[in-house]
Amino acid sequence: SAVISQKPSRDICQRGTSLTIQCQVDSQVTMMFWYRQQPGQSLTLIATANQGSEATYESGFVIDKFPISRPNLTFSTLTVSNMSPEDSSIYLCSVLRTGGTEAFFGQGTRLTVV
Amino acid sequence: QKEVEQDPGPLSVPEGAIVSLNCTYSNSAFQYFMWYRQYSRKGPELLMYTYSSGNKEDGRFTAQVDKSSKYISLFIRDSQPSDSATYLCAGHFGAGNMLTFGGGTRLMVKP
Repeated sequence: SAVISQKPSRDICQRGTSLTIQCQVDSQVTMMFWYRQQPGQSLTLIATANQGSEATYESGFVIDKFPISRPNLTFSTLTVSNMSPEDSSIYLCSVLRTGGTEAFFGQGTRLTVV
Repeated sequence: QKEVEQDPGPLSVPEGAIVSLNCTYSNSAFQYFMWYRQYSRKGPELLMYTYSSGNKEDGRFTAQVDKSSKYISLFIRDSQPSDSATYLCAGHFGAGNMLTFGGGTRLMVKP
């Protein structure tokens, strides 16, 4: 399995501010994903973080709101910009190992916007 | 219609019971199926994955896939209170593709 370190594990932020979440993997991976999980809900894919190119966003998510960086094969960041209480959620980083079919998840970042 | 459907539960069983968790899916292009367990305030943890129709067993857990009816199941034998969690099923098109998750079923095993 892949070891994924996600930081911060939780934060409470003021509305209108931004938070950057980091995801570090212990091995090189081709595909990294960012998910959102609202309370009591399943996982919603925000975007696929592509190394060396712009992230691919799912319907309903835009780069201005959720900018993503992927500078190398082991690291990615997700920024939640201009936050509102509706952004309160758990944000999860996930990876697929190169050539693999199993997805592994970080522990998540629990974000509360007040 | 969602591509992967799960009954949200909660499903409450006594300790030692056999638990059956089920999903249906609509996309016949899914090649792999996964089960994840998610404890409260934690990220999902991969439990099992299967490729083809049939059964796969790992300890107290058995994953079953019936592609003809687009139905997948996870059985837990001798359930324990530590099995109390949300169980997510997911379909996968194959290497390099993202997963499509069901909504999750919350399981509570009472001592």
